[in-house]
Amino acid sequence: EPEVTQTPSHQVTQMGQEVILRCVPISNHLYFYWYRQILGQKVEFLVSFYNNEISEKSEIFDDQFSVERPDGSNFTLKIRSTKLEDSAMYFCASTLGENTEAFFGQGTRLTVV
Amino acid sequence: AQSVTQPDIHITVSEGASLELRCNYSYGATPYLFWYVQSPGQGLQLLLKYFSGDTLVQGIKGFEAEFKRSQSSFNLRKPSVHWSDAAEYFCAVGFVEYGNKLVFGAGTILRVKS
Repeated sequence: EPEVTQTPSHQVTQMGQEVILRCVPISNHLYFYWYRQILGQKVEFLVSFYNNEISEKSEIFDDQFSVERPDGSNFTLKIRSTKLEDSAMYFCASTLGENTEAFFGQGTRLTVV
Repeated sequence: AQSVTQPDIHITVSEGASLELRCNYSYGATPYLFWYVQSPGQGLQLLLKYFSGDTLVQGIKGFEAEFKRSQSSFNLRKPSVHWSDAAEYFCAVGFVEYGNKLVFGAGTILRVKS
């Protein structure tokens, strides 16, 4: 069964450092998403991406964040200067079309120290 | 703003007992609805989904959910809980009118006692 894969599974970084979280969506999917879940809290939408551009972003997705689809398979989330409060589980998801089932990756646990 | 409410933060049931987890949403005339399960430190596994059609949907692991438009609800049920069902359950709603993002509830932690 096709799946969304995320790397790394865990990442520890120092405050102020840049991190890149990587995702390989399902190959024929067209819409890509990042969500995050701070420990003990709900899953929150960060950004959606379609046709090589951001289609929607939340208030959380400020100038410190960026997304990119550098090639035909990868979808990345970059945090330029990490803060302690960026520590969370980050989930990548993809959908085939609009308003269709989202497939989630296993997540990357980011710890900022 | 669109919101999803899971009123029960924790639920404890005995193994073999029935289970119902509640989910309500606000806004949106055309929702599509999901239930996900998350074990500690793990990702989100889809249990079931509703887009249209029959309002009672069957999912994996013996779960089912019923969409009631009049109550803006999508409650998850299981007739007989197993110890392996202990996990956190998230209701998520997408709204056709508001793009492709999902809005998640705060989750319900299920404990199963033997």
